[in-house]
Amino acid sequence: DTEVTQTPKHLVMGMTNKKSLKCEQHMGHRAMYWYKQKAKKPPELMFVYSYEKLSINESVPSRFSPECPNSSLLNLHLHALQPEDSALYLCASSLGTGPYEQYFGPGTRLTVT
Amino acid sequence: EDQVTQSPEALRLQEGESSSLNCSYTVSGLRGLFWYRQDPGKGPEFLFTLYSAGEEKEKERLKATLTKKESFLHITAPKPEDSATYLCAVMDSNYQLIWGAGTKLIIKP
Repeated sequence: DTEVTQTPKHLVMGMTNKKSLKCEQHMGHRAMYWYKQKAKKPPELMFVYSYEKLSINESVPSRFSPECPNSSLLNLHLHALQPEDSALYLCASSLGTGPYEQYFGPGTRLTVT
Repeated sequence: EDQVTQSPEALRLQEGESSSLNCSYTVSGLRGLFWYRQDPGKGPEFLFTLYSAGEEKEKERLKATLTKKESFLHITAPKPEDSATYLCAVMDSNYQLIWGAGTKLIIKP
């Protein structure tokens, strides 16, 4: 089973709201990722967790706050977002941060109004 | 600077018309090259990993090959359901993944 699940599928939020995106995998993977993808562009890396510790933060604004409660779960907390943050947010996981393929979830379509 | 370039940007084929997509790269110390398929509004679906020049992988109508400078994704007798954007990503010596811009493939019945 190579499934990564994400909730919600769609999210509309105002600029003053606080919301969270959730991601789960049960493949025993020790690396988990958050990506942001705009239309007709490849995924853009935001954060990497390795063994439940944040290992990479690609200079993402503090209005995005990641959390890894355990090896199977990954959250992305959102606060005071801007309209330009509207995008498809993808979660992925892999065996580790080495040369391993990443398995992606279906994504959360976020719209900031 | 590490770079991944995919061509063409878009490709329209008739059903059954075989063709190839290209992914050329310049990276310091290739750790692996990955092919993904992405349908509109969905997450990328993993297809293949290639690690060294000369390696080939096949899955149904798709075959991926790798040289020291580029990779090809060959599509044999495609069907309309093969329509998607195909993404190539290369992992460099620092284990950073560099993505190409993708090739949008449209197969007409």
